[in-house]
Amino acid sequence: GAVVSQHPSWVICKSGTSVKIECRSLDFQATTMFWYRQFPKQSLMLMATSNEGSKATYEQGVEKDKFLINHASLTLSTLTVTSAHPEDSSFYICSARDRTPIANTGELFFGEGSRLTVL
Amino acid sequence: KQEVTQIPAALSVPEGENLVLNCSFTDSAIYNLQWFRQDPGKGLTSLLLIQSSQREQTSGRLNASLDKSSGRSTLYIAASQPGDSATYLCAVTMDSNYQLIWGAGTKLIIKP
Repeated sequence: GAVVSQHPSWVICKSGTSVKIECRSLDFQATTMFWYRQFPKQSLMLMATSNEGSKATYEQGVEKDKFLINHASLTLSTLTVTSAHPEDSSFYICSARDRTPIANTGELFFGEGSRLTVL
Repeated sequence: KQEVTQIPAALSVPEGENLVLNCSFTDSAIYNLQWFRQDPGKGLTSLLLIQSSQREQTSGRLNASLDKSSGRSTLYIAASQPGDSATYLCAVTMDSNYQLIWGAGTKLIIKP
């Protein structure tokens, strides 16, 4: 299957700093990527939908100024957690779908996730 | 509003048994349904994708069925192994925007 790579896998930062997480589709082009967060023992929560070349669409309750999303190319989307605080500590996962019509079955491919710990 | 429910929340069985995980959804007008596996602290692995027009999909020891009219899907795992221990999530998409609506997952433990 298609591969989505996230970097970094783990990040620890001080409160008040900003952290950038990258999501790359390695062997396909993705016009749309999704960002999720997951708290311990809970299911994934969609944060935003990232469309290449346009502004991200945020879910209700997600602060767009806090979680900056940039989807500058068909293979890269970034999530920046600005002025991070301990309550932002979570597991962040991205997903993408192949834009190729033949391959576009609607299947979403997921990154390995990035665990953020804010001290 | 679509809701996805997975039962049971947790399941522990001896190695070698066949087992079934359940997923139900309230709105039958789905685009597709996916089953995922998540190991602790890891990302998600897509196991099986069933399009709305399909009844089942198979991959190795896994078989997923879909009954849209009753709003149900099952994931059948044959001859379970300790390595199958993980949390299994099902999710549906309602339309072509492909946003997923998630179940809470079933935590599966296979005892050696």
